[in-house]
Amino acid sequence: GNSVTQMEGPVTLSEEAFLTINCTYTATGYPSLFWYVQYPGEGLQLLLKATKADDKGSNKGFEATYRKETTSFHLEKGSVQVSDSAVYFCALPPRNNAGNMLTFGGGTRLMVKP
Amino acid sequence: DVKVTQSSRYLVKRTGEKVFLECVQDMDHENMFWYRQDPGLGLRLIYFSYDVKMKEKGDIPEGYSVSREKKERFSLILESASTNQTSMYLCASSPAGTRNNEQFFGPGTRLTVL
Repeated sequence: GNSVTQMEGPVTLSEEAFLTINCTYTATGYPSLFWYVQYPGEGLQLLLKATKADDKGSNKGFEATYRKETTSFHLEKGSVQVSDSAVYFCALPPRNNAGNMLTFGGGTRLMVKP
Repeated sequence: DVKVTQSSRYLVKRTGEKVFLECVQDMDHENMFWYRQDPGLGLRLIYFSYDVKMKEKGDIPEGYSVSREKKERFSLILESASTNQTSMYLCASSPAGTRNNEQFFGPGTRLTVL
């Protein structure tokens, strides 16, 4: 089945630093790719998504580009804020025709210091 | 505002007890999911349901069962709780018939089994 591997955390940055969280995937075909974010004490929420190769998803200053050549979907932000401190999950469907199921990476904790 | 609610934020139970975790969504979604979240392991799917009274095993169903008697409610049952079921439990829902796979999550229940 499909799977994702994301970098282990925690990632600790100072405010206004550049962020990259790596995510690579193994998949049959070209499934949609997702980034979810979990703020402290909350459930996950969709941050951004890309539904086909070369698409760029973006939201709240975060971006990720679906790159089939490198099978990657790295999350980036040009200038992080303390409020971006959270756990970030890369995800994709576990197989073709999986309906609305998702399989998640292990999560990367981001800590942003003032 | 769309909402997925879970019956408890924190729960402490003793080994051998029967435990019920309740999840309710107000979005008229067909699909509902139960995950457990453990550090470094990300989210792992326990069970999901795509319709009332329908259920499918996920990746780690052992020791759990589920019930979906009404569309809006999906219950996770630990028949005889064990210490290795101490974890964060997340419920999610999604509409049917979409390829975009966005899931909407509740805030989670942190279960401790003593």
